[in-house]
Amino acid sequence: QSALTQPPSASGSPGQSVTISCTGTSGDVGGYHYVSWYQQHPGKAPKLMIYEVTKRPSGVPDRFSGSKSGNTASLTVSGLQAEDEADYYCSSYAGSINFEVFGGGTKLTVL
Amino acid sequence: QVQLQESGPGLVKPSQTLSLTCAVSGDSISDGAYYWSWIRQHPGKGLEWMGYIYYTGSAYYNPSLKSRVTISVDTSKNQFSLTLSSVTAADTAVYYCARKVAAPSKFDYWGQGTLVTVSS
Repeated sequence: QSALTQPPSASGSPGQSVTISCTGTSGDVGGYHYVSWYQQHPGKAPKLMIYEVTKRPSGVPDRFSGSKSGNTASLTVSGLQAEDEADYYCSSYAGSINFEVFGGGTKLTVL
Repeated sequence: QVQLQESGPGLVKPSQTLSLTCAVSGDSISDGAYYWSWIRQHPGKGLEWMGYIYYTGSAYYNPSLKSRVTISVDTSKNQFSLTLSSVTAADTAVYYCARKVAAPSKFDYWGQGTLVTVSS
């Protein structure tokens, strides 16, 4: 059982927007501004898409955005494209005992 | 361009010790801005952080694995290693090494991953 809770699946049609949630506790998501999101295509390594809740690394399209409210972080993908179909994982710093925790992942399907 | 490359046996017998090495190129492992990490992914499952190490040798582990995991660093070879003792079939997974930026916090570079199967 993963420390952070994500919905197992999400879907949307091309051009639409989809939001994926990531729920933790005050000891991780709610307590720190250190939530990241990773995209993973089949057979590939995860790729950083969002860090520190809202920041995008260079090269990541601005269609990807992040937010947080309380113990829940969210990733929104706007203007869905076929290549966005992948698994998405959230992670959070979780303090000096647990350090880092991941969500169980969400499979995003572009219909 | 920073690159990380995992290496090690793809098959380990139950009760034995799993050992993997991650070679880092394009960056010095002694750069104090990073923690060098191991993350694994069971087949068809999510990601699990195992631990990371600072270039000084200070290591931090997932509490659920702490009794079996050791991460070490060799700055002269610009690489770091993972050992996992007393493995069982439940340790079958793809093992990734990754670079974690201390601030801002993020795992920004990952190796391609290596599948380790635990089987007799």
